[in-house]
Amino acid sequence: AQSVTQLDSQVPVFEEAPVELRCNYSSSVSVYLFWYVQYPNQGLQLLLKYLSGSTLVKGINGFEAEFNKSQTSFHLRKPSVHISDTAEYFCAVSGHRTNAGKSTFGDGTTLTVKP
Amino acid sequence: DAGVIQSPRHEVTEMGQEVTLRCKPISGHNSLFWYRQTMMRGLELLIYFNNNVPIDDSGMPEDRFSAKMPNASFSTLKIQPSEPRDSAVYFCASSSPEGEAFFGQGTRLTVV
Repeated sequence: AQSVTQLDSQVPVFEEAPVELRCNYSSSVSVYLFWYVQYPNQGLQLLLKYLSGSTLVKGINGFEAEFNKSQTSFHLRKPSVHISDTAEYFCAVSGHRTNAGKSTFGDGTTLTVKP
Repeated sequence: DAGVIQSPRHEVTEMGQEVTLRCKPISGHNSLFWYRQTMMRGLELLIYFNNNVPIDDSGMPEDRFSAKMPNASFSTLKIQPSEPRDSAVYFCASSSPEGEAFFGQGTRLTVV
């Protein structure tokens, strides 16, 4: 089984500042990792994913994340945020060849970008 | 592909009435999930199917909730009878074998 911990429930930040949203996971098998974003009144959409290969993954809207196997982390970063990045962000993990494509989601981090 | 399609987008019903939510997953995806999202509880997995078979329904809150997947392109989530505490946004998602989930736009249910 897998579990995910998003270490911050709310992150306030000023526009154009850098941001990091933290995610730690646990798993007994190799994992795939995902970050999703949910804007108000919308469904979740994929920001980026790590399946294999380079541990630094780039996604949409200037976000990137780094898979750190030794620290079991997959933190999301953006060097300069915009007002439009205000949303809820979910980290998710699935195990290789387990659970029939089911991901386990974290509780979410609300990012609020202030002018 | 049009993505995961849910209907209706909004549903307002009276307590005690039956509510049916519908979902069409992405063609070729073998796994389908029903989630509920509220401010209090966040995102909760209710049930998921693989190859049209329910795999885990431990998240279904009570016997008033039931879900079916009669074929690979359609699923329903039914609440009978509905109660005000069932008010929430219900999401359907389908996933790739690696677990990348594709969510529908959700159904906002209000039970009065």
